[in-house]
Amino acid sequence: DAKTTQPTSMDCAEGRAANLPCNHSTISGNEYVYWYRQIHSQGPQYIIHGLKNNETNEMASLIITEDRKSSTLILPHATLRDTAVYYCIVRVDRSNTGKLIFGQGTTLQVKP
Amino acid sequence: EADIYQTPRYLVIGTGKKITLECSQTMGHDKMYWYQQDPGMELHLIHYSYGVNSTEKGDLSSESTVSRIRTEHFPLTLESARPSHTSQYLCASSGFYRYTQYFGPGTRLTVL
Repeated sequence: DAKTTQPTSMDCAEGRAANLPCNHSTISGNEYVYWYRQIHSQGPQYIIHGLKNNETNEMASLIITEDRKSSTLILPHATLRDTAVYYCIVRVDRSNTGKLIFGQGTTLQVKP
Repeated sequence: EADIYQTPRYLVIGTGKKITLECSQTMGHDKMYWYQQDPGMELHLIHYSYGVNSTEKGDLSSESTVSRIRTEHFPLTLESARPSHTSQYLCASSGFYRYTQYFGPGTRLTVL
């Protein structure tokens, strides 16, 4: 199963871009990269996902390197409400349960 | 905006009581999931369902049981609550893309 590695924590100034890295060096060709976040005490929130092309939606952008061994989630203008734990997840499920393996994630603190 | 609801949001109950945590979604999703999360810890899948009359156990062993009689409803039951069941229980659903999951707000259960 592909494993992801994320920094434990990061800080970002309000209004600046937050760039959250994720390493997934053992990702296989048909595995997608998903990003979720969890604001304190709430249920996780889906952000974005991608296979190999860069993706953008109203919440964020996802940049995947050409070799697909790493990716970066970009929040273009971070606000205080973006303070959360961010999870990078590679679809590792082989039994088709739909199981998401969340790991420890990166705690992003957006500061005024 | 995802429409998935969980009740109650908070529950404090004595040992030995039978409890049912409710989860409903109005998106017509066929797949639904229950995750368990202890404070500061990772989420773990405990149950999932691919449709009416379909339920399976997840990775984390749980003494809870689930049922799926209607598409929109996926309740979780503990026949005899114990302090070890104290945790947050999160319900999620997904449609065609099973890894794009929408989470409810969670039920924080405390068993005394």
